[in-house]
Amino acid sequence: DVVMTQTPVSLSVSLGGQVSISCRSSQSLVHNNGNTYLSWYLQKPGQSPQLLIYKVSNRFSGISDRFSGSGSGTDFTLKISRVEPDDLGVYYCGQGTQYPPTFGGGTKLELK
Amino acid sequence: EVQLVESGGGLVKPGSSLKLSCVASGFTFSSYGMHWIRQAPKKGLEWIALIYYDSSNKYYADSVKGRFTISRDNSKNTLYLEMNSLRSEDTAMYYCAKLTGSSGYWGQGVMVTVSS
Repeated sequence: DVVMTQTPVSLSVSLGGQVSISCRSSQSLVHNNGNTYLSWYLQKPGQSPQLLIYKVSNRFSGISDRFSGSGSGTDFTLKISRVEPDDLGVYYCGQGTQYPPTFGGGTKLELK
Repeated sequence: EVQLVESGGGLVKPGSSLKLSCVASGFTFSSYGMHWIRQAPKKGLEWIALIYYDSSNKYYADSVKGRFTISRDNSKNTLYLEMNSLRSEDTAMYYCAKLTGSSGYWGQGVMVTVSS
């Protein structure tokens, strides 16, 4: 199985600040069809995960442009700019390139 | 609007069985593969099962293979997860999810607690 490693485990940020979360995979996430199926999710307290970014850098419907994804191969990053209170929660990366789908351990974003 | 609503969870004893349901709406259910993903208390996300749109293929995580069965009824827009021989380590929030290369929707989840 592809192991997804997220760093850091937790992050403190001031409102209006910027943060980056790293996600590394144990194998390349480039699919045979040329796509890279790396997604980012946010799980707010008491809620189910919601999709933010798909295929590395594409924002899902309704997601603010304050969220941006980048990376390739095995190394990926989620950046959040001008952090707002509603951004707080646990962020997960996930891969759908290789069966079975796997997720990172999560990064908890908290207020400083 | 895509909606996924799970039900059927509860408190059960080790070794017992439970069947979860997930009713889908807002999209053509019969055209998409569907997943079950779980999250143990204070833990991360664990994918556990996938069923193709037409039930032609089913895949399971090693942790549930042989004990859990995923199925669907496209006439009822409903996804199921039959869970047998439940163990304490199966205690988790169970989510059904529609995940494609370019979209992702999760239900609100249903809690399953396995305890004597």
